[in-house]
Amino acid sequence: DGGITQSPKYLFRKEGQNVTLSCEQNLNHDAMYWYRQDPGQGLRLIYYSQIVNDFQKGDIAEGYSVSREKKESFPLTVTSAQKNPTAFYLCASILDTEAFFGQGTRLTVV
Amino acid sequence: GQNIDQPTEMTATEGAIVQINCTYQTSGFNGLFWYQQHAGEAPTFLSYNVLDGLEEKGRFSSFLSRSKGYSYLLLKELQMKDSASYLCAVYGGATNKLIFGTGTLLAVQP
Repeated sequence: DGGITQSPKYLFRKEGQNVTLSCEQNLNHDAMYWYRQDPGQGLRLIYYSQIVNDFQKGDIAEGYSVSREKKESFPLTVTSAQKNPTAFYLCASILDTEAFFGQGTRLTVV
Repeated sequence: GQNIDQPTEMTATEGAIVQINCTYQTSGFNGLFWYQQHAGEAPTFLSYNVLDGLEEKGRFSSFLSRSKGYSYLLLKELQMKDSASYLCAVYGGATNKLIFGTGTLLAVQP
């Protein structure tokens, strides 16, 4: 099956720990994006990447880091510097007019 | 700068037609996406408009006017399952950002 996969679906971490969220796609899409969604809010752009080994900061990049070593993979690390990391994290990939989201990862920091 | 505006909430009756508007001001424009998002789930792709005019897909249609920075999503023959948030997103700029509006929460009533 072609698609975009995020794992895990639910993640719990202690405050002060870094955590990495996985995003993998087998659609051969060039562009990949990470968003954060808080309850009742829209999607805010964290980081995005158009090609391998290159990425740009979105509107709320502080406290996050990414890498794009392979076309298929765009992992997001939520660092201890992120003040309020509890949220729903969504990954998307785009090629021309085709754009799809993964199922999302709900991160809770306690 | 960039700004994407949608109404926060709308209510409509089962079987009726509803139009959800989106206005945008962005630096660069390649196209405009519409997504549907049910509570607690990832967004699902509805449409992508590049050229001015109306694109029809079954009960859903989407319209774009690039000169006016305006789009709308038209939902016909509303069903209870259409109760969801509808997200407008602009794709473009030098680095191909994908920026979302805050979304419109549609409630379909019997």
